[in-house]
This record gives sequence, C-alpha cells and structure tokens, in this order.
Amino acid sequence: DTAVSQTPKYLVTQMGNDKSIKCEQNLGHDTMYWYKQDSKKFLKIMFSYNNKELIINETVPNRFSPKSPDKAHLNLHINSLELGDSAVYFCASSLGGPSEAFFGQGTRLTVV
Amino acid sequence: GQNIDQPTEMTATEGAIVQINCTYQTSGFNGLFWYQQHAGEAPTFLSYNVLDGLEEKGRFSSFLSRSKGYSYLLLKELQMKDSASYLCAVREKYNTDKLIFGTGTRLQVFP
Repeated sequence: DTAVSQTPKYLVTQMGNDKSIKCEQNLGHDTMYWYKQDSKKFLKIMFSYNNKELIINETVPNRFSPKSPDKAHLNLHINSLELGDSAVYFCASSLGGPSEAFFGQGTRLTVV
Repeated sequence: GQNIDQPTEMTATEGAIVQINCTYQTSGFNGLFWYQQHAGEAPTFLSYNVLDGLEEKGRFSSFLSRSKGYSYLLLKELQMKDSASYLCAVREKYNTDKLIFGTGTRLQVFP
C-alpha cells in the first residue's frame, strides 16, 4: 500500500564510507526527487528526475550521485561521507507540473 | 534571489484559530503549497494556491496574494494532533518541478 518507500529508515556510518539509499514509488508518477532536511528542518531539493532523465541538479557535491533505473525507482549513492552529510533525506514523487509531491518516510543518516 | 519567510514557532490553544503567514520573494512563481510535517515523519500535502484568493478544505484554509508575495494557512478548531511543522513551498515559474521550501513553522497546540 505504501506509495513512496525508501530504505533504510536509519543509517549510521563512519566518515569516508560509501552508502546508498533506495527509493521506490508505486503511484505511476513520472517525476521523482531527492530532498535533504538539515537539523534546522530546512527542506532543500537536491535532484529531480522525470522518466529516468535528470531534470534538476542543485548545487550538490559530486559525491552525491542519483541513479534512476526506471521511472519507479530513484536511488541516491553517496561517496566519501562527511560529518556534514548527516541529515534526513526524503525521496518524493509527483505527476510533475503543478501537482503535489508525495514524500517517503525519510532516511535519517548519521555520519560519525 | 529566493527567500521564503515564515515564523519559526507558534503556540495556540485547543479549539482556537491560528494563522501561519508566509512571505516569498522568488525569481518566478507558479503556485504555492502548504505541507504539514509531524516530528519524525514525512511532509504531507495540505493545500495548493496558484490564483489569488482563499482555498478552503475542511478546518484548513489557505490564502494567496501574488502581488504582495504573501500567503497564509488558517487552521480552525485546533486539535492536539495539529501540533506539527507547517511548511510553505513555492514552485518557480521557469522550472515547474522545483519546489522551494521555507524553514517551516512549528506549531504547538496546548489543551
């Protein structure tokens, strides 16, 4: 029944490691996103894909690489993790255009 | 530049009415969203305004004035479960898939 699901929900890892977060949506949406929410609860877009094509790529370190194997999946791979990467990462999807985005439950990443 | 301002925190009493304001300055405008986010959970959609005026949806209403770069979310008959953060987000005109979020307003409802 879950519309947008992302795994894992919690991720604790050491500096310098490489990790991935997976996201899947079963809503049939064409557009998927990755957002980062920092400790001050500020939600900022990182990437947007439309039907597997990268549409938005905000000023994000190139250690972050999204991958969309098909329009229902958008994964986020992070290389050489840094302390400042600690945040909650939300995946979302929408029909695109003026329609609302549906968010996954978030992945709380803690880099130690 | 892009700037979306909301009050950081608000408090209110159960049964009361509260208005959460949002002012924005963005390079383009193609609609404004309000989302609710409970602690530790995902944001969920509340309302969308693209034309000036008031949109009512049950206990929640949202107002937009494009000329003033201003919106508010009105919550009536407050319930304890309304304690959450409320996020204002603007869709930029030239890139309609990009939402710019404000920092959110944390609302606490007391009995």
